[in-house]
Amino acid sequence: EAQVTQNPRYLITVTGKKLTVTCSQNMNHEYMSWYRQDPGLGLRQIYYSMNVEVTDKGDVPEGYKVSRKEKRNFPLILESPSPNQTSLYFCASGRAVGSSYEQYFGPGTRLTVT
Amino acid sequence: EDQVTQSPEALRLQEGESSSLNCSYTVSGLRGLFWYRQDPGKGPEFLFTLYSAGEEKEKERLKATLTKKESFLHITAPKPEDSATYLCAVPTTDSWGKLQFGAGTQVVVTP
Repeated sequence: EAQVTQNPRYLITVTGKKLTVTCSQNMNHEYMSWYRQDPGLGLRQIYYSMNVEVTDKGDVPEGYKVSRKEKRNFPLILESPSPNQTSLYFCASGRAVGSSYEQYFGPGTRLTVT
Repeated sequence: EDQVTQSPEALRLQEGESSSLNCSYTVSGLRGLFWYRQDPGKGPEFLFTLYSAGEEKEKERLKATLTKKESFLHITAPKPEDSATYLCAVPTTDSWGKLQFGAGTQVVVTP
């Protein structure tokens, strides 16, 4: 089944404790992205990747790191999480075919930083 | 600054009562506009991509249209299972990867 998977789905952690949220897709998509969603602020893009070893900042990259060493994986790293990073996080993957594009989202990771 | 604005913020419909949602954008040189459906606590579900003014796409009771400044999502004879938040998004650079989302329209359909 074609899908985007994220792990963990739920995470409660403490301020300053490094964490990684994994994202994997099995559709051979070249594009991958991370978003956070907060009440009243909507979906905001953190980072995106256009292919292996090619990443760029989205609208809210501060406090986050990403890497794209393999096409299928795009982990999100919080080196020193803070309470304002408590949010619902979504990974997405997409493919461009000619002049068309489609993007699909994972199920989300709910992160609480205390 | 590029902007994507959705209206209304919320919409309450009776079952069978058709309506339209609006997504307006200020991105120049639009390459495409995406519509998603999102249920509470779940990832957005891809519905449509529209690429040029005048284009229309349909899926069950949903029909999306695109003009040079805005897109409409028409919900025809909605059912309670159409209740969700509907999001639109546009790419803001030459790369498909960088998308800006609107705040969404929360639709509630009552029996």
